[in-house]
Amino acid sequence: EAGVVQSPRYKIIEKKQPVAFWCNPISGHNTLYWYLQNLGQGPELLIRYENEEAVDDSQLPKDRFSAERLKGVDSTLKIQPAELGDSAVYLCASSTGQGDTGELFFGEGSRLTVL
Amino acid sequence: AQSVTQLGSHVSVSEGALVLLRCNYSSSVPPYLFWYVQYPNQGLQLLLKYTSAATLVKGINGFEAEFKKSETSFHLTKPSAHMSDAAEYFCAVTYSGNTPLVFGKGTRLSVIA
Repeated sequence: EAGVVQSPRYKIIEKKQPVAFWCNPISGHNTLYWYLQNLGQGPELLIRYENEEAVDDSQLPKDRFSAERLKGVDSTLKIQPAELGDSAVYLCASSTGQGDTGELFFGEGSRLTVL
Repeated sequence: AQSVTQLGSHVSVSEGALVLLRCNYSSSVPPYLFWYVQYPNQGLQLLLKYTSAATLVKGINGFEAEFKKSETSFHLTKPSAHMSDAAEYFCAVTYSGNTPLVFGKGTRLSVIA
């Protein structure tokens, strides 16, 4: 069974440029998460989807960040424009959804460097 | 709201020595607790989880953790450290599958030959 797939693994951009990250969850997983991991810190939730609906986006900085999961499968996280402080690892995770025990399956992450 | 506190941002042990990584949780309802491991430049991998069954939970790679409600703790242990155990370890908590995991800040484990 394929795991959570993220791309790109690494991205280096100049500040004020846009950037997008893509995630394909495990097949059949209805719930998809984007987490932000700063250097030396634990992951922090940005947004959670149940199928195509964003059910928790309270921590997503909506002035520059956006996300979509149009068909309830893969998802894209976008930053426009990027700032120096956005340099971090963006982790995607998925789970089976309601009624499970909360176990998340993570991708390898997309490491963003903003110069 | 639930949270976890990991005591010690960095733990160093000798190869073959006991590994003990500490995690205390805060939750107003019975929690589900997790330990994840992250190797350099990789995503997080589940080591073990507590979901209100047995209080002593065994995971992969010889790790185990014990849920102690009286101490609100879920410490991770391994009897004998191996060089390959060097990684970042995260404790996480939730109280249902409908709420996202909340992670601690992590503990970096170094193993000295």
